Amino acid sequence: AQSVTQPDIHITVSEGASLELRCNYSYGATPYLFWYVQSPGQGLQLLLKYFSGDTLVQGIKGFEAEFKRSQSSFNLRKPSVHWSDAAEYFCAVAGVGSARQLTFGSGTQLTVLP
Amino acid sequence: NAGVTQTPKFRVLKTGQSMTLLCAQDMNHEYMYWYRQDPGMGLRLIHYSVGEGTTAKGEVPDGYNVSRLKKQNFLLGLESAAPSQTSVYFCASSYSGGGGANVLTFGAGSRLTVL
Repeated sequence: AQSVTQPDIHITVSEGASLELRCNYSYGATPYLFWYVQSPGQGLQLLLKYFSGDTLVQGIKGFEAEFKRSQSSFNLRKPSVHWSDAAEYFCAVAGVGSARQLTFGSGTQLTVLP
Repeated sequence: NAGVTQTPKFRVLKTGQSMTLLCAQDMNHEYMYWYRQDPGMGLRLIHYSVGEGTTAKGEVPDGYNVSRLKKQNFLLGLESAAPSQTSVYFCASSYSGGGGANVLTFGAGSRLTVL
C-alpha cells in the first residue's frame, strides 16, 4: 500500500530564511506527487504537483519541489519565507490514474518568526 | 466562483444523534470525496464518488453513509454519532481521467463535535 511520511511535525524559521519541508513516499511505481497548504480555518490548496517529466517542479507562491526517485522523496523548498507562509503543509501521493488512492502525510506545521 | 461549498461549518451533536453534511460544487467535476482530518493523522478518505449515482468506500467508511443523487452534490450522513467521529470534515472534488482525477479542490471544512 502507498504511504507518505512527513518526518517534521513542526518547523520554525525566521522570515527571509530558506525553507525545506521533507516528504518521503512509498509506492511501487512512479507516483503522482503533490504538496498542499492549509491556512488556519481553511481547506487545502494545491501548491504544486509532479506527474512526469522534469523532476524540479514550480508551484504557486514561490515554492518548488524536487522529485528524487532514488530517495523516494519529494521535498518542498522556498528560498525566502514570508510571514504569510505560516500554515500547515501536506504532502500526498497517488497512483497513476487512480481517483481514490490519494494518500496524505500527517502534515508539517510551519511557524514563521518576524 | 464558489468552488466547493460545505454546510454547516460547525455542528455539535449528542451521542446517538444523526446529521447530514452537504457538499456542493459548481465546477462540473465528476469525482467527489469526503475526508476527515484529525490531529497528527493528516486526511483520511471516508467515501468517494466517481459520478452521479455512484459511491464507494474509502479508508475509514464505518459509521458513515453517502449519497450522490445529483452531480453537483455529495452528502455525508452520520446515522448514530459517536464521540470518535468528532473531527473536521472536508469535501473535495476533481475532474475525471488521468492525473486530473488526483488534483483536488477542497471546501473550507465542517467542524463536528460529538458529546
